[in-house]
Amino acid sequence: DAGITQSPRYKITETGRQVTLMCHQTWSHSYMFWYRQDLGHGLRLIYYSAAADITDKGEVPDGYVVSRSKTENFPLTLESATRSQTSVYFCASNDQRTGVLNIQYFGAGTRLSVL
Amino acid sequence: GQSLEQPSEVTAVEGAIVQINCTYQTSGFYGLSWYQQHDGGAPTFLSYNALDGLEETGRFSSFLSRSDSYGYLLLQELQMKDSASYFCAVYNFNKFYFGSGTKLNVKP
Repeated sequence: DAGITQSPRYKITETGRQVTLMCHQTWSHSYMFWYRQDLGHGLRLIYYSAAADITDKGEVPDGYVVSRSKTENFPLTLESATRSQTSVYFCASNDQRTGVLNIQYFGAGTRLSVL
Repeated sequence: GQSLEQPSEVTAVEGAIVQINCTYQTSGFYGLSWYQQHDGGAPTFLSYNALDGLEETGRFSSFLSRSDSYGYLLLQELQMKDSASYFCAVYNFNKFYFGSGTKLNVKP
């Protein structure tokens, strides 16, 4: 089924562990984004990517690593998870080639709890 | 830096009209977008304004005044299913910045 998918949907981990959240899109969109959503803060951009092998920091990148070796995948890694990284994580994509650059398509989210 | 201000919560009755305001401060600006998010769900795109004025999409309309750094989302003929959070977002230099969201409660 076409679209943008995130896995896992739910994850519980312990402080200090490495965790990778996966994001896959089937539209061949050039731009992909990672956000975290916490109560009272809306959506905050962690990292984004304009194309394969091109990534850049957003508002809250500390403690996170991203890579994009293929256009369709954009994994987010928490190298050493902390309790403050407990949040809901959303991946999004956007195709600026079509001129509708302001529409973002979001995945269903990953709810991460760090104990 | 970037900042967007929205009311935290709004309550309205079914069938009524409600307006959700958004004021922003940004160093650059390419447009204002609105997204809807139901509890436990993902944000979905509603509307976008690049230029001043009103954009209408069915029961939803969005307005932008760039000189006032202000926009609003207007929801007409409210339905129970419109109960959700609504976020404004600005697009600036490849990044999107979101407001903290307005929770809309629609009552019968």
